[in-house]
Amino acid sequence: QVQLVESGGGVVQPGRSLRLSCAASGFTFSFYTFHWVRQAPGKGLEWVAVISEDGDNLYYADSVVGRFTISRDNSKDTMYLQVKSLRPEDTAVYYCAREEKYTGSYHFDYWGQGTLVTVSS
Amino acid sequence: DIVLTQSPDSLAVSLGERATINCKSSQSVLHSSNNKNYLAWYQQKPGQPPKLLIYWASTRESGVPDRFSGSGSGTDFTLTITGLQAEDVGVYYCQQSYSTSPEHMYNFGQGTKLEIK
Repeated sequence: QVQLVESGGGVVQPGRSLRLSCAASGFTFSFYTFHWVRQAPGKGLEWVAVISEDGDNLYYADSVVGRFTISRDNSKDTMYLQVKSLRPEDTAVYYCAREEKYTGSYHFDYWGQGTLVTVSS
Repeated sequence: DIVLTQSPDSLAVSLGERATINCKSSQSVLHSSNNKNYLAWYQQKPGQPPKLLIYWASTRESGVPDRFSGSGSGTDFTLTITGLQAEDVGVYYCQQSYSTSPEHMYNFGQGTKLEIK
């Protein structure tokens, strides 16, 4: 069955960096586009970034451009989010999500359980 | 940018009754090339990740109970839950995927919290 497992979250001081990972299984990872979506405590969902199947096309939300970098390693069935210059407002659960492939509707059909990033001194 | 505004922000409905959640888009998300509305609905139960319910505004995802239905077109959309069950408690989000610029293509509404009355 499809599984997405995030890791790499934790407590980090403002200005520091982290690398989040999303390990996939149960399907052909390289066939799909993937996203990162975050959710601050008690708040709604905020789309963060997207990466195409081959990793050539990357796009970011305005709130993270220049600080976050999305990447993937299709040989390891894993996607990453390098987060730099962290701010307290980056505190959130970070979810990876798979973009459905066959209908062309761009919705997210599977989500991981999320990894919590807390930015605090 | 397309802005999605959901209403109400929260609602309480009795078990077995109908719950109606609205999502209004600042621009049409109906694509003229295929007559599809690029609007999805997700359910997020407490402590869980979001789960896809509806895409194309009205197509139910496989495995989603038929008490969940989506309707609307253009800028105004509705998620209806008929015969509310206790397990339906959570927050519901709409999402658009219409914008031609990828950076602005996947935003969500602010969410609607559904509780049992």
